Amino acid sequence: SQTIHQWPATLVQPVGSPLSLECTVEGTSNPNLYWYRQAAGRGLQLLFYSVGIGQISSEVPQNLSASRPQDRQFILSSKKLLLSDSGFYLCAWNRAAYEQYFGPGTRLTVT
Amino acid sequence: AQSVTQLGSHVSVSEGALVLLRCNYSSSVPPYLFWYVQYPNQGLQLLLKYTTGATLVKGINGFEAEFKKSETSFHLTKPSAHMSDAAEYFCAVSQGGSARQLTFGSGTQLTVLP
Repeated sequence: SQTIHQWPATLVQPVGSPLSLECTVEGTSNPNLYWYRQAAGRGLQLLFYSVGIGQISSEVPQNLSASRPQDRQFILSSKKLLLSDSGFYLCAWNRAAYEQYFGPGTRLTVT
Repeated sequence: AQSVTQLGSHVSVSEGALVLLRCNYSSSVPPYLFWYVQYPNQGLQLLLKYTTGATLVKGINGFEAEFKKSETSFHLTKPSAHMSDAAEYFCAVSQGGSARQLTFGSGTQLTVLP
């Protein structure tokens, strides 16, 4: 069966520090991968998606970037965090079907 | 462009009462529709989906939803609320394509009162 992992689960970082969040999917190949952000009390905002290795599409101009160095690995990064980057970051995948399957999320607090 | 509107950001029901969470969508092509549930500090879990075929779809935990094309709606219901149903619920729509992106509604927080 397929499993999606995210780490770390929680992170507290100062303003101006770098960021790296990792997402890994097991049990499938060539999935579409997605990064979402959920700010406090708000819905989901799609940040990036990828349909293959090295292929990244950005939905919202921002302080963040994404990379897909391997088929089942998706990384979210920032060179310098802002206070507004705080939130709950969710990774998701799908393959042949249209529903997406979500990871457990990373709670990021920028101080 | 597609969009999803969830009417009511907060809904409260008594335990044992009917749960009705409303979702309306706009889409230029036949949509694929989904309901997800999110418990605090967790990821989203798929409750049910509509792609093609029967317009009344059943999901996990006793939930069901009906696709009404004429009303562009996909409301979520459960006959009898349980305390464990308290969570946030998201409606989503996909227009397919290779990217298979989802557009989410803003969510409805369901409170179940004892």
